[in-house]
Amino acid sequence: AQSVTQLGSHVSVSEGALVLLRCNYSSSVPPYLFWYVQYPNQGLQLLLKYTSAATLVKGINGFEAEFKKSETSFHLTKPSAHMSDAAEYFCAVSKGGSYIPTFGRGTSLIVHP
Amino acid sequence: NAGVTQTPKFQVLKTGQSMTLQCAQDMNHNSMYWYRQDPGMGLRLIYYSASEGTTDKGEVPNGYNVSRLNKREFSLRLESAAPSQTSVYFCASSVKRGTSTDTQYFGPGTRLTVL
Repeated sequence: AQSVTQLGSHVSVSEGALVLLRCNYSSSVPPYLFWYVQYPNQGLQLLLKYTSAATLVKGINGFEAEFKKSETSFHLTKPSAHMSDAAEYFCAVSKGGSYIPTFGRGTSLIVHP
Repeated sequence: NAGVTQTPKFQVLKTGQSMTLQCAQDMNHNSMYWYRQDPGMGLRLIYYSASEGTTDKGEVPNGYNVSRLNKREFSLRLESAAPSQTSVYFCASSVKRGTSTDTQYFGPGTRLTVL
């Protein structure tokens, strides 16, 4: 079964510092990989998605993620954190033959002034 | 486009009471989902509907029932609420792509407290 692992339930950075949120999926290459963001008291919204068209995917708010098949990873990065980036981030995969995406447990990003 | 709407936004129930959470989407999506979100547990799938007329259990279906009323609407019913069902409930919808599913669009959530 497809699984998704997000390393670190909490990541803390200073404003202006690099943001790196880690996501690894299990061995089979999924058709789609997603990062979603959830701001406090809101639903999830799409940040970016991988669809095999390009390994480096750019999303909203300056975020990007790189698909690395050899490492089964899809880490999320942003060069310079803003206070407004503080939120919960979820990695998810869609696999062929199932209409149920698999979500990671989420990583809470804390941004210090 | 309103996207995915959920009602109510907040609800407080007493143990044993029943209620129905409503969800509607205006994006003509085939698939709809109900999740619950609890601290430290991430998102857990309760039920889903891959297409109009079908519903299937997810990871945590006990204590819940669903109805796919039409393509737009997917409701979640708690027949006899228990304190363990205190949670935030999210509805989502998506388009099928071949044998997989594309981006999910989420509603704003219903915050339910069972006393």
